[in-house]
Amino acid sequence: QKEVEQNSGPLSVPEGAIASLNCTYSDRVSQSFFWYRQYSGKSPELIMSIYSNGDKEDGRFTAQLNKASQYVSLLIRDSQPSDSATYLCAVRPLSGSARQLTFGSGTQLTVLP
Amino acid sequence: DVKVTQSSRYLVKRTGEKVFLECVQDMDHENMFWYRQDPGLGLRLIYFSYDVKMKEKGDIPEGYSVSREKKERFSLILESASTNQTSMYLCASREGPSETQYFGPGTRLLVL
Repeated sequence: QKEVEQNSGPLSVPEGAIASLNCTYSDRVSQSFFWYRQYSGKSPELIMSIYSNGDKEDGRFTAQLNKASQYVSLLIRDSQPSDSATYLCAVRPLSGSARQLTFGSGTQLTVLP
Repeated sequence: DVKVTQSSRYLVKRTGEKVFLECVQDMDHENMFWYRQDPGLGLRLIYFSYDVKMKEKGDIPEGYSVSREKKERFSLILESASTNQTSMYLCASREGPSETQYFGPGTRLLVL
């Protein structure tokens, strides 16, 4: 079983719709959770981080964390074609040297004009 | 402005060659990482370093080694390149365990 799982997609939504991206993780003691966006041919860039249960909003992006169910999601409101990218979920454990991130394989999102 | 740079964007090498990939960060970060990214497999950690001359194996260290002689520079070495090492290689750095991790632009390596 993968430690961090995401639906690979592709996920297609029309412009203006809400895109919902989901991620589940297996390590119950994971502490920090991140969403990275990666455009084709580019490197990942951090768009959201979340550390406690509930919702965290930043502009059109909302991250949702449910530690009891071990999932984290990313909602993109009013989706734009420029949001078309691969979205990577990353999880950081509570302990371990350097506490390195474990990444999911990513969900490819396409926003159709 | 945060900056992580990698020595090459594209690299073509022959099987058996020794390959050096360099990464430099200008943020005085303690932690540096090397990942490879392959379709369907996501980002996999090869090696990381949490201090000068310190290194630890990640999930897939076989066939790779690293060097960190200075805080700002972290090198990935393919001792004898093989075709299954054709991949996108991404370097990243981070200050402490709770800080944001920044990625370099990546090196797309093709081993023939």
